[in-house]
Amino acid sequence: DTGVSQNPRHKITKRGQNVTFRCDPISEHNRLYWYRQTLGQGPEFLTYFQNEAQLEKSRLLSDRFSAERPKGSFSTLEIQRTEQGDSAMYLCASSLAGAAPNRISPLHFGNGTRLTVT
Amino acid sequence: TQLLEQSPQFLSIQEGENLTVYCNSSSVFSSLQWYRQEPGEGPVLLVTVVTGGEVKKLKRLTFQFGDARKDSSLHITAAQPGDTGLYLCAAYSNDYKLSFGAGTTVTVRA
Repeated sequence: DTGVSQNPRHKITKRGQNVTFRCDPISEHNRLYWYRQTLGQGPEFLTYFQNEAQLEKSRLLSDRFSAERPKGSFSTLEIQRTEQGDSAMYLCASSLAGAAPNRISPLHFGNGTRLTVT
Repeated sequence: TQLLEQSPQFLSIQEGENLTVYCNSSSVFSSLQWYRQEPGEGPVLLVTVVTGGEVKKLKRLTFQFGDARKDSSLHITAAQPGDTGLYLCAAYSNDYKLSFGAGTTVTVRA
């Protein structure tokens, strides 16, 4: 178990540029989540995958954001035409559905990608 | 509106003191989780409470789930600098969506 891996750890980009982040979940985990977190606040849910299917997208996720999870393994989160308000920590988490009753499954988080838009 | 309200937002204490942080909601939950997050890292699960009135202890940390399963508290005895971090409560709003409170930032001064 190597844990959830996120790359890059830091990304600085200019407003208007596109960025893509990658998440490699724990290998046997079939659930994958993306959250966004600003300084001193709790993580805010962005989107959720069960295997390769994207089952929910938050209203926070504008049309400039897209997430994929091809083949139900790693996931990417792309932000197009970045804005300064996109600056945040983007966290990926995974869990295994069925290992415990759904509503007590813990999430295993990566260490995030910190995005700064200048 | 936040599903989970945490208080206080910030807490700064001296090493050796005790502290309590709270997590409240108007909703009833089947379970509630507490996470701790250190700067530059992702949140790490501390405990899950499931039964109303349940008390769980993890070394110097004591977690309580309210009888009505709407609130929870985390008490730290004899805090140490290593307890510094952002403490987050979280609960599932459906079978897969885990929602977090805004967190309590705890600073323990040596």
